[in-house]
Amino acid sequence: QKEVEQNSGPLSVPEGAIASLNCTYSDRVSQSFFWYRQYSGKSPELIMSIYSNGDKEDGRFTAQLNKASQYVSLLIRDSQPSDSATYLCAPPLRGSYIPTFGRGTSLIVHP
Amino acid sequence: DTAVSQTPKYLVTQMGNDKSIKCEQNLGHDTMYWYKQDSKKFLKIMFSYNNKELIINETVPNRFSPKSPDKAHLNLHINSLELGDSAVYFCASSQGGPRQETQYFGPGTRLLVL
Repeated sequence: QKEVEQNSGPLSVPEGAIASLNCTYSDRVSQSFFWYRQYSGKSPELIMSIYSNGDKEDGRFTAQLNKASQYVSLLIRDSQPSDSATYLCAPPLRGSYIPTFGRGTSLIVHP
Repeated sequence: DTAVSQTPKYLVTQMGNDKSIKCEQNLGHDTMYWYKQDSKKFLKIMFSYNNKELIINETVPNRFSPKSPDKAHLNLHINSLELGDSAVYFCASSQGGPRQETQYFGPGTRLLVL
């Protein structure tokens, strides 16, 4: 099993809808999880981190973590065209605190 | 002020050449990284340095040699460039340690090997 698995997409949603991005990971002892956003031609930037099971909300973004299922998701409410980007799930590299990245899910929000 | 900077931004070179990419961070972070992002956008860690010491080397060919003269700089030297080395190389830094893992990325260096 790959360390991090994400659907590469593209995921296309209309403006104002909820975008749901999913990620599974293989390292059962992972304690911290990150979501990065990467616009085309730009570098990744952190948008959310989550350390405990359950939900964490930050503005229009909600990260959900289920350690038992080794699953983490990102919900984007009221999606805007400016949210169109690739979203990278990043659990830590085995035995470390260093994020390791999935291939990312491409999100397209159309007006 | 740019937090993490890389030079050059673009690099076009011939197979077999040797090239270097420089990275500097002014965030006072202890840990620096090199990542490679290939044409399929897969972002893969190559190296990590903490306070000038190598802590991660993710099965990178030994043609790639990182050098950290001080904790604010991490340079990447590549010998005998191959076509498959064409990619975007990102430098990043973080404070390191639990709950301080946020990576701050540089703008990337786009390397094209002909």
